Amino acid sequence: QKEVEQDPGPLSVPEGAIVSLNCTYSNSAFQYFMWYRQYSRKGPELLMYTYSSGNKEDGRFTAQVDKSSKYISLFIRDSQPSDSATYLCAMTSHGTSYGKLTFGQGTILTVHP
Amino acid sequence: SQTIHQWPATLVQPVGSPLSLECTVEGTSNPNLYWYRQAAGRGLQLLFYSVGIGQISSEVPQNLSASRPQDRQFILSSKKLLLSDSGFYLCAWSRSTSGRLNEQFFGPGTRLTVL
Repeated sequence: QKEVEQDPGPLSVPEGAIVSLNCTYSNSAFQYFMWYRQYSRKGPELLMYTYSSGNKEDGRFTAQVDKSSKYISLFIRDSQPSDSATYLCAMTSHGTSYGKLTFGQGTILTVHP
Repeated sequence: SQTIHQWPATLVQPVGSPLSLECTVEGTSNPNLYWYRQAAGRGLQLLFYSVGIGQISSEVPQNLSASRPQDRQFILSSKKLLLSDSGFYLCAWSRSTSGRLNEQFFGPGTRLTVL
């Protein structure tokens, strides 16, 4: 079993839709949870991160962490064609000095006009 | 501000040939440095990380090696490429603060095709 599981999609939605992206994990030591966005043929860029359980909102993006279920989500409201990208979840345990991240395999999202 | 560079951007190499990919970071000192490989439809696989000059840790045994000759320079090498080495290679850096989240910032990547 992989430490982090992410539905690869692809996911295709119309502009303006609410998008839900999800990851599950098995390592209960994970404390920091991140979402990266990767445009085609580019390096990933950090979108949001959360520490432990709870929600965090940044504009149209909301990250949720449920540690009891080992489940994290990224919601995109009012999705735009510019949101079309691969979204990668990543996580790490507290106190990892070199910051080793464990990534999901990424979900390919297409938002069509 | 910090900037991370990778070159070359794309590379096509025959099987059995050597490889050298370079990554440099500007605007920070003593960063943690990472090499990842991303195969098509798969997530990022950590290959090597470095917490300082000459300090390399390998995550996955393979025919690749890494070196850090200078504080902000990280090199990925191979003596003989295999077909399975094809992929998108990403370099990343993070601040070296322990005990808290070390956000990783990625370079633009090198797309390697081994024929």
